[in-house]
Amino acid sequence: AQSVTQLDSQVPVFEEAPVELRCNYSSSVSVYLFWYVQYPNQGLQLLLKYLSGSTLVESINGFEAEFNKSQTSFHLRKPSVHISDTAEYFCAVSLAVLSGGYNKLIFGAGTRLAVHP
Amino acid sequence: EAQVTQNPRYLITVTGKKLTVTCSQNMNHEYMSWYRQDPGLGLRQIYYSMNVEVTDKGDVPEGYKVSRKEKRNFPLILESPSPNQTSLYFCASSRQGWGTGELFFGEGSRLTVL
Repeated sequence: AQSVTQLDSQVPVFEEAPVELRCNYSSSVSVYLFWYVQYPNQGLQLLLKYLSGSTLVESINGFEAEFNKSQTSFHLRKPSVHISDTAEYFCAVSLAVLSGGYNKLIFGAGTRLAVHP
Repeated sequence: EAQVTQNPRYLITVTGKKLTVTCSQNMNHEYMSWYRQDPGLGLRQIYYSMNVEVTDKGDVPEGYKVSRKEKRNFPLILESPSPNQTSLYFCASSRQGWGTGELFFGEGSRLTVL
């Protein structure tokens, strides 16, 4: 079965500094990878996803993540963060092989990003 | 506006008093699911539904029931709530459940069981 580990529960950072949120997964078969963001008092929103093709994927608000198959990682990065990026970020994985007509999305425990002025 | 709507957003109840959390989506999605979010544990799936009248257990189904009589609605029922069901609950929907599509989440329902 697949699993997801987010290596940092909290990441404090100053505004305009770079940030990396780490995500590692385990799976015996190919996977799809996702990052979701949860702003305070809101539901989760899809930030970006890797299904196939280029291993570097980008979001519209400046985040990017790189799929590294050999290291089984999908770390999220941003070169310069803003106060408005303060949120909880969840890495998630699903199997790329259809299993019984349904492929469950497995979430990591989340990383709370706190951007300080 | 495409959305998933949950009600109530906040609820305090007592042990054993049945309650229902409603969930409705207006995107004609086939797949719907309930999650609970607890600190340090991320999101864990309670139940999911691939289509009308098709539901199945997720990872933590004990103490919960669901039904899917209409495509747009997927209520979560706690027949006899207990304090360990105090949590933040999210309903989500997707066009399909193959794992490639985007999940759309409601804003959450914070439940406290005394």
